[in-house]
Amino acid sequence: EPEVTQTPSHQVTQMGQEVILRCVPISNHLYFYWYRQILGQKVEFLVSFYNNEISEKSEIFDDQFSVERPDGSNFTLKIRSTKLEDSAMYFCASRAPGTGDGYTFGSGTRLTVV
Amino acid sequence: EDQVTQSPEALRLQEGESSSLNCSYTVSGLRGLFWYRQDPGKGPEFLFTLYSAGEEKEKERLKATLTKKESFLHITAPKPEDSATYLCAVPRFTPGYSSASKIIFGSGTRLSIRP
Repeated sequence: EPEVTQTPSHQVTQMGQEVILRCVPISNHLYFYWYRQILGQKVEFLVSFYNNEISEKSEIFDDQFSVERPDGSNFTLKIRSTKLEDSAMYFCASRAPGTGDGYTFGSGTRLTVV
Repeated sequence: EDQVTQSPEALRLQEGESSSLNCSYTVSGLRGLFWYRQDPGKGPEFLFTLYSAGEEKEKERLKATLTKKESFLHITAPKPEDSATYLCAVPRFTPGYSSASKIIFGSGTRLSIRP
């Protein structure tokens, strides 16, 4: 069954450093998303991406965050200068057009900022 | 503002003891409701989509139902491997876009099944 692949599975970084989280969505999907989940809290929306541009972003997604689809397969989330409060699980998701089903999530990247 | 509320927060059952999880929502013009399963340290795994009141969907020991104000996930004769957090979510549409720009999750119900 097709899956969304995220790398790395775990990243430890020092406060103030830049990190790039990587995702390979399902190949025929056109809608891409990043979500995050702080330990013990809800899964929260960060950003949606379609047709090479951001469709919507949450209040969390400030100037420190950016997304990119650098080629036909990868979808990345960059955090420019990490803060302690950025520590969370980050999930990538993708969805095919014309269907209400199938927001398929990856297994996540656990980001720890020290 | 769209809201999704799940109850209970946690539920511990004996193997074989059936029960139901609740998801209530306040969404203008509901256009679908999702159920996901999440194992510790993993991403949400899609279970069901329900579109209209009265609709039901089943998968193994799980059955999801939908009314105009809430959805239930019924678990019949659960096994320890059904232990997980079950998440309810609704799509949110941005004006001008025909497709949902995001889904909003509830806080989930943490289900534990004792052998």
